[in-house]
Amino acid sequence: GAGVSQSPSNKVTEKGKDVELRCDPISGHTALYWYRQSLGQGLEFLIYFQGNSAPDKSGLPSDRFSAERTGGSVSTLTIQRTQQEDSAVYLCASSIEGTSGWSSYNEQFFGPGTRLTVL
Amino acid sequence: GNSVTQMEGPVTLSEEAFLTINCTYTATGYPSLFWYVQYPGEGLQLLLKATKADDKGSNKGFEATYRKETTSFHLEKGSVQVSDSAVYFCALSYDMRFGAGTRLTVKP
Repeated sequence: GAGVSQSPSNKVTEKGKDVELRCDPISGHTALYWYRQSLGQGLEFLIYFQGNSAPDKSGLPSDRFSAERTGGSVSTLTIQRTQQEDSAVYLCASSIEGTSGWSSYNEQFFGPGTRLTVL
Repeated sequence: GNSVTQMEGPVTLSEEAFLTINCTYTATGYPSLFWYVQYPGEGLQLLLKATKADDKGSNKGFEATYRKETTSFHLEKGSVQVSDSAVYFCALSYDMRFGAGTRLTVKP
């Protein structure tokens, strides 16, 4: 079956421009996550959507970053007024259910990522 | 709060050497624990998981045992191969945060 897909795979933009990154999760997965992976660094959590609940935005690094999820499926991560330090690989993941309860075991399925380069 | 602390490395081993990558966690309740792997040029994928204390996750010769008494989930493999060269991430289920990642390089 289809996995998590992301587009574009690569994006080069100029400093100050806005960019939109798209994520198509696995059908039926109610939870969706965005992460950022800078060169040589670990995964930095950005935002998490679970069903119709309010998203957990605690990882967004600044108010230039926002994300939405339409119809409980596709998600778009928007970065406004991009800066060079925004250059990274942006990863999306989905899981059958989100983190609720004390003993959830939600394996995440990752997309291939979008490599963003801000010149 | 919940957190994962992972041995950062990088780790360089010769083929057939024994591998241990340490991971400890802090959490309330009963989280599930995961190891994810990122091969060069590929996306992250689940390597193994354990959902309760004393469970052992295993896959591709790798093993990790969920130790509640030591709050650890160390990754081990008895004999590494060049193809195991990758970055390994420890993760906690309901925290959505990952460890810093450990880059493993296996030399022939």
